[in-house]
Amino acid sequence: GQNIDQPTEMTATEGAIVQINCTYQTSGFNGLFWYQQHAGEAPTFLSYNVLDGLEEKGRFSSFLSRSKGYSYLLLKELQMKDSASYLCVLREGTDKLIFGTGTRLQVFP
Amino acid sequence: DAEITQSPRHKITETGRQVTLACHQTWNHNNMFWYRQDLGHGLRLIHYSYGVQDTNKGEVSDGYSVSRSNTEDLPLTLESAASSQTSVYFCATGNSDTDTQYFGPGTRLTVL
Repeated sequence: GQNIDQPTEMTATEGAIVQINCTYQTSGFNGLFWYQQHAGEAPTFLSYNVLDGLEEKGRFSSFLSRSKGYSYLLLKELQMKDSASYLCVLREGTDKLIFGTGTRLQVFP
Repeated sequence: DAEITQSPRHKITETGRQVTLACHQTWNHNNMFWYRQDLGHGLRLIHYSYGVQDTNKGEVSDGYSVSRSNTEDLPLTLESAASSQTSVYFCATGNSDTDTQYFGPGTRLTVL
């Protein structure tokens, strides 16, 4: 089976950097996604890691260590619009996704 | 532009009624998925389809059914709605050669 752990809530200040951690246990790892979900809206894709290391996309970066069952999402130069839930998601097999409960990030001025 | 639409966006129904939620995509993706999202849980997979005439049960399939008669649509049916099925329902699509799933805007269902 799968188990995904991430903090329930985090707060940060506009312009700062925040790191959202995710640890997981799985018997069929085939990649890890991060999705962003604003309140009342659909999840949207942020990043995908299948190999160990850091993937950078503008202000957002995602890191993966398969041996440690660990990933993090790094958000730089935080903006108010980054207030959202961030979902750590395992890919099982070809297409099935297993979602964590999400980390609700609040950015304050 | 390609998109996923869900209808209705909001629905209130009574216990025991049959309800069908529509999902339509113009991405031309083979794979389609239905999830529900509840407080304290991540999105949970209800049913999924890898192509026309293919359907599979997900983690929480009891009380739900789907059918796939064409590439564009995967309607989700609640045969006899229960209060425990009050939730937000998301449809998603993807292909095996894409590294993501694209989500529809969601349907908020309330069963009284």
